[in-house]
Amino acid sequence: AQTVTQSQPEMSVQEAETVTLSCTYDTSESNYYLFWYKQPPSRQMILVIRQEAYKQQNATENRFSVNFQKAAKSFSLKISDSQLGDTAMYFCAFMKKIQGAQKLVFGQGTRLTINP
Amino acid sequence: GAGVSQSPRYKVAKRGQDVALRCDPISGHVSLFWYQQALGQGPEFLTYFQNEAQLDKSGLPSDRFFAERPEGSVSTLKIQRTQQEDSAVYLCASSLPILLTDTQYFGPGTRLTVL
Repeated sequence: AQTVTQSQPEMSVQEAETVTLSCTYDTSESNYYLFWYKQPPSRQMILVIRQEAYKQQNATENRFSVNFQKAAKSFSLKISDSQLGDTAMYFCAFMKKIQGAQKLVFGQGTRLTINP
Repeated sequence: GAGVSQSPRYKVAKRGQDVALRCDPISGHVSLFWYQQALGQGPEFLTYFQNEAQLDKSGLPSDRFFAERPEGSVSTLKIQRTQQEDSAVYLCASSLPILLTDTQYFGPGTRLTVL
């Protein structure tokens, strides 16, 4: 079974700062996807970024980037130039990469607060 | 097009009552998932449909939980004889598996409170 661990329950930074959220996972699979989802107080889960395990290049989406260390089973999210709208719960998630749709396995989440 | 919608957004039930939660996936999405999110926790998988077929129900916590998707579109999660421990947010997600890419798109959830 796969497990996902987020060791930082809460984080708080000032607007415009850079913040890194940590995630580690455990799996025996060789092919998989990793995701970061954002859940603002309104509760709708939104995809932030995804990474395919076989790709060595770290994924980036505008101000969001990941540091994927496959051997260490680590998948951290870096938010640059943080904005007030980045305030949310952030969840790291794992999905096996096999034919057809697969369930997501989520971590416990990190509550991120961006202060003005 | 429209995203995933869920109804009701909030539901309060007395212990022992039956409830039904509805999910309307994105049009054309083949796969539909239900997750349960306890307060302050990450979502946990309940069940998964591909079209009308329920392919995985390993996450359903008890036989009081039942899900269906009879026409391969709208899905209903039913909880019989609700208990206080059923209080949670129930999230629905849909995806359109193309080759091996399976990004899931989530609805706003239904917050169930059992008194």
